[in-house]
Amino acid sequence: AQSVTQLDSQVPVFEEAPVELRCNYSSSVSVYLFWYVQYPNQGLQLLLKYLSGSTLVKGINGFEAEFNKSQTSFHLRKPSVHISDTAEYFCAVGSTASKLTFGTGTRLQVTL
Amino acid sequence: AAGVIQSPRHLIKEKRETATLKCYPIPRHDTVYWYQQGPGQDPQFLISFYEKMQSDKGSIPDRFSAQQFSDYHSELNMSSLELGDSALYFCASSLTGINTEAFFGQGTRLTVV
Repeated sequence: AQSVTQLDSQVPVFEEAPVELRCNYSSSVSVYLFWYVQYPNQGLQLLLKYLSGSTLVKGINGFEAEFNKSQTSFHLRKPSVHISDTAEYFCAVGSTASKLTFGTGTRLQVTL
Repeated sequence: AAGVIQSPRHLIKEKRETATLKCYPIPRHDTVYWYQQGPGQDPQFLISFYEKMQSDKGSIPDRFSAQQFSDYHSELNMSSLELGDSALYFCASSLTGINTEAFFGQGTRLTVV
């Protein structure tokens, strides 16, 4: 069984500031890791994924994440956020790349 | 590029009614997944199908059933609807393989009144 913990339910940040959204997971097997973004009343959009290879993964909209196996973490980062980044962000884990267990989400609120 | 199509996008039903949600996967994708996202909640896996056979089952109520057809589209049937069934229902599709990811549709928002 797998589980995902997103410790921060809300993260307020000023525009152009850096941000880190934390994600920790637990699993007894090798996993695939994902970050999805959900804008209000919208579906899930894939930001980035770690399937294998380099532990630093770059995604869309300037986001990146680093897979840390020893710390079982997959934190999402962006060096400078924009108002349009305001959304709900979900970390997800799966023992296959497709059936996923999601975290409870982190609401990123970017203000001027 | 073609994406996962879900219909309808919005659905309003009364308690004890039935609802059918449809999902059309990306062409050549053979696996379909259904997720339920309640208000303010994370998406929860309901059920999946591979080559028209149920491949995995999550927290799907007995009142719900689903199937995948010969053209690989899938339908989620929900009976005796309850207020708590109000949620965003996502369908995702993938091509079976080791490193294949799931692609999500825009979801169907079901409101039970």
